[in-house]
Amino acid sequence: KAGVTQTPRYLIKTRGQQVTLSCSPISGHRSVSWYQQTPGQGLQFLFEYFSETQRNKGNFPGRFSGRQFSNSRSEMNVSTLELGDSALYLCASSSDNSREQYFGPGTRLTVT
Amino acid sequence: DQQVKQNSPSLSVQEGRISILNCDYTNSMFDYFLWYKKYPAEGPTFLISISSIKDKNEDGRFTVFLNKSAKHLSLHIVPSQPGDSAVYFCAASANSGGSNYKLTFGKGTLLTVNP
Repeated sequence: KAGVTQTPRYLIKTRGQQVTLSCSPISGHRSVSWYQQTPGQGLQFLFEYFSETQRNKGNFPGRFSGRQFSNSRSEMNVSTLELGDSALYLCASSSDNSREQYFGPGTRLTVT
Repeated sequence: DQQVKQNSPSLSVQEGRISILNCDYTNSMFDYFLWYKKYPAEGPTFLISISSIKDKNEDGRFTVFLNKSAKHLSLHIVPSQPGDSAVYFCAASANSGGSNYKLTFGKGTLLTVNP
């Protein structure tokens, strides 16, 4: 089976712009979670989607949003980018009967 | 408030010896624990997990021990190999109504295995 894929791998944006990141889960996995990794805060949970519904959300401002499509692919969007949004954004997928999460390679976002 | 703590930022061991990575948690609602290995600029790779109904789980060279009363878990790697050199993250989740899939991570421990 192919693993979790994320596009793009690298992205450079300017403060105030918005960005959309994409994630394709492992085939058959319906749960997709997003995490942010920064040197200061470590790995932090953003949100989780299952069957196109957000089931759980972390403590991030409303500028961070996501969605999931009927094929389980997911996107996350960050609006009005700030310098502090520079991070590695990771997507993970899980199957219905397991709590193990499998991560993609991440998207490295740099905000200048 | 850090709910999952890995108090050792780094650990160095000799090839062939045992590596022991430790993790403590404070949230008594956590009932599922996972260990991940991560290289720079890559996503975490799942290694092994354990449910709170067990106190030990083994997979090849990796064994995870859970002490619920102490809210402590550890990952043992035997024997350690140079390719094991990476950052290891401990993560936990709670079986809370909406979703089991919110992972809370520790800050990680950098393991270096010397040849």
